[in-house]
Amino acid sequence: KAGVTQTPRYLIKTRGQQVTLSCSPISGHRSVSWYQQTPGQGLQFLFEYFSETQRNKGNFPGRFSGRQFSNSRSEMNVSTLELGDSALYLCASSSIPRQGTNEKLFFGSGTQLSVL
Amino acid sequence: KQEVTQIPAALSVPEGENLVLNCSFTDSAIYNLQWFRQDPGKGLTSLLLIQSSQREQTSGRLNASLDKSSGRSTLYIAASQPGDSATYLCAAGGATNKLIFGTGTLLAVQP
Repeated sequence: KAGVTQTPRYLIKTRGQQVTLSCSPISGHRSVSWYQQTPGQGLQFLFEYFSETQRNKGNFPGRFSGRQFSNSRSEMNVSTLELGDSALYLCASSSIPRQGTNEKLFFGSGTQLSVL
Repeated sequence: KQEVTQIPAALSVPEGENLVLNCSFTDSAIYNLQWFRQDPGKGLTSLLLIQSSQREQTSGRLNASLDKSSGRSTLYIAASQPGDSATYLCAAGGATNKLIFGTGTLLAVQP
């Protein structure tokens, strides 16, 4: 069974540009979550999608958005990039059918975004 | 607001030693506590998940315990090996499936 796949692996952008990151979950998993990892703030929750609906959202500005498609693949978009958006963006999938269910999260290798 | 702390921030041990990593959380109303491993430049690998009703979970040389009343979890690694070298992260899970992560413990096992 293929794991969580994130593309691209590395990305370099300049301030003011926008970027789209992609995540393909494990087959059969309908929940996809996104996390941002930086040396200063650690891992922070961005949002979670389940069955094409955003179910939970972290404390990030509206420049950060996402969506999920009918095949459970998810994309996240960051508009008007800032230097502080440089981070490792991790996607995780789970077969969580409902909130609060105790299921493991399976993470992808991440997309390393550098904003110059 | 849930806050998760991990001590120590870094640890270096000789091969074969048993070790304990600590995780503390401020809000005891958690649904689960998970331990992850992260290798440099890589994603996270789930090690153990302890449900709120459980006290411990074991997988091979790993044992994780949970004490909700004191807001603590520990990860015990027996007979450490150089391949165990990585960053270990604990995360508290709540009702919304959002995980609150600790800052991690960087473990180096010296051959």
